[in-house]
Amino acid sequence: GAVVSQHPSWVICKSGTSVKIECRSLDFQATTMFWYRQFPKQSLMLMATSNEGSKATYEQGVEKDKFLINHASLTLSTLTVTSAHPEDSSFYICSARSPGRNEQFFGPGTRLTVL
Amino acid sequence: GENVEQHPSTLSVQEGDSAVIKCTYSDSASNYFPWYKQELGKGPQLIIDIRSNVGEKKDQRIAVTLNKTAKHFSLHITETQPEDSAVYFCASLMNRDDKIIFGKGTRLHILP
Repeated sequence: GAVVSQHPSWVICKSGTSVKIECRSLDFQATTMFWYRQFPKQSLMLMATSNEGSKATYEQGVEKDKFLINHASLTLSTLTVTSAHPEDSSFYICSARSPGRNEQFFGPGTRLTVL
Repeated sequence: GENVEQHPSTLSVQEGDSAVIKCTYSDSASNYFPWYKQELGKGPQLIIDIRSNVGEKKDQRIAVTLNKTAKHFSLHITETQPEDSAVYFCASLMNRDDKIIFGKGTRLHILP
């Protein structure tokens, strides 16, 4: 159990375009989902916390108008990178947590490359 | 805020030997300590966790120990195998805060 999927697994886009990444909890309901960014050989950096039905909470330094997060249901959260630039190229990973539990389960990640 | 330190950053171990990764945390309110394994190009996978009311937990070749007084916790992998090669992250969580705080990771190499 506790499977989290992400789609797409990788994406290449042109500078200035927007990219949407989906995160789904497949076998449990996730009231809270988290979005991370990871640069090569570095740890995970939390970008935002997403609670179902409410606005996401962004970490300091993360632009909420650039990284749009929608958590419309208990099994789906989306991250949209708007007007992407080469510096947004990174590995984006989501995680999900079920109600009343500490455990977070991570998706397989999405490799974004902006040309 | 909470700070998690992880050592070593890189660890090479002969196949069959044991590997130990150590972490310290700063906030005594932290009460949940997961360990994640991340293989190249993949998301982190929860491999074991421990809560603050327990001093040690074991799952086959993997064990975690927690010293609340010293704010130390460690991951022990015995009889290491090539598939254990990966990056391992320790982390901590406080009840009152949703955010998991990660260590910087340890790159474990299992040598043939």
